[in-house]
Amino acid sequence: DAKTTQPTSMDCAEGRAANLPCNHSTISGNEYVYWYRQIHSQGPQYIIHGLKNNETNEMASLIITEDRKSSTLILPHATLRDTAVYYCIVRVSNDYKLSFGAGTTVTVRA
Amino acid sequence: DTGVSQDPRHKITKRGQNVTFRCDPISEHNRLYWYRQTLGQGPEFLTYFQNEAQLEKSRLLSDRFSAERPKGSFSTLEIQRTEQGDSAMYLCASSPQGALDTEAFFGQGTRLTVV
Repeated sequence: DAKTTQPTSMDCAEGRAANLPCNHSTISGNEYVYWYRQIHSQGPQYIIHGLKNNETNEMASLIITEDRKSSTLILPHATLRDTAVYYCIVRVSNDYKLSFGAGTTVTVRA
Repeated sequence: DTGVSQDPRHKITKRGQNVTFRCDPISEHNRLYWYRQTLGQGPEFLTYFQNEAQLEKSRLLSDRFSAERPKGSFSTLEIQRTEQGDSAMYLCASSPQGALDTEAFFGQGTRLTVV
């Protein structure tokens, strides 16, 4: 019972911005949007999360639409090391579990 | 490196054998989680500890699985009478005390192959 929908895969060019979409049309008012990524043979790594405002940190920016039904993760200058599976997760603030879907496999090409 | 540590990184076992994995969370984190990940899928939640108390177990955690966190520090996950379907990556994560909307830090996982 997936709460998010992401494209299966996408390519992007090294040095360019990578824009990763996520649909979460059934999101509730108290649910946050989280992004994690998983580089091959490693555990998932936290990237960013937000409730309704756009967020930015040293890794990425998160843009959440005003109706909160979708969001975009932006990697501003993709590098080869950003090649990974990216997971968009909707999570209630008082829920400690993370429910991962299949994610988007992002391949950064030189 | 003070991240989440898992041991072993790889384990090959024969069907029917018992295996035990260890997780050392980040030292000041009181929350600890186990997840399982099969090929091509995202991680699936197995169980959650707050300090030494196991507060939730997924239906994925059959009777052959048991997890402990005896002193609220490291945790072990044991699988008895392993089956081929148990082959997966077992991931441990920890997060700090306080607000629940905090990030979880994952270890590199233990890859189990049951032959």
